[in-house]
Amino acid sequence: AQKVTQAQTEISVVEKEDVTLDCVYETRDTTYYLFWYKQPPSGELVFLIRRNSFDEQNEISGRYSWNFQKSTSSFNFTITASQVVDSAVYFCALSETQGGSEKLVFGKGTKLTVNP
Amino acid sequence: DSGVTQTPKHLITATGQRVTLRCSPRSGDLSVYWYQQSLDQGLQFLIQYYNGEERAKGNILERFSAQQFPDLHSELNLSSLELGDSALYFCASSRAGELFFGEGSRLTVL
Repeated sequence: AQKVTQAQTEISVVEKEDVTLDCVYETRDTTYYLFWYKQPPSGELVFLIRRNSFDEQNEISGRYSWNFQKSTSSFNFTITASQVVDSAVYFCALSETQGGSEKLVFGKGTKLTVNP
Repeated sequence: DSGVTQTPKHLITATGQRVTLRCSPRSGDLSVYWYQQSLDQGLQFLIQYYNGEERAKGNILERFSAQQFPDLHSELNLSSLELGDSALYFCASSRAGELFFGEGSRLTVL
């Protein structure tokens, strides 16, 4: 069965610090997708990134970067120079793409608090 | 704004009652997914519809049912409600593998 583990339940940093959120996954599929979502206090789920299992290139988008390592089944997320607005719960998710369904298995989430 | 619309945003009801949550996917998206977010279970996949047909099923209780209509909007029906059904219910639609979520419907069962 697929599983996503986000071992860090809560992280607290001071503004401008860099912070890395860990995500470890388990799957027997050879083709899969990994996602990160942000859930701010308002409650909506905001899509951040989708990465397929064949693309191990790291990705950078502004202050956000992602490190995908298939060898360790990890897909970690780093926020550089964190800001108060980054305070949210961040979810890592894994999808199986069988039968045209892209249902997601989510980790428990990491609550990030960025203090001024 | 993800383009996925969910109503109502908040709902308070009593045990034993029945409620209907509504979702309109992004324009052109044929797939609709329902997820439940609760404190103890986290975010869990409930069910998926694709162009009116059920495509995949997750941890959906028998008291819950869903459907997708010809105009592609979807409804999630929750009946014989229990205290433990209190949760945030998300709808998502997908295109090319990317899932975009609505703002959720927060259900409180008293």
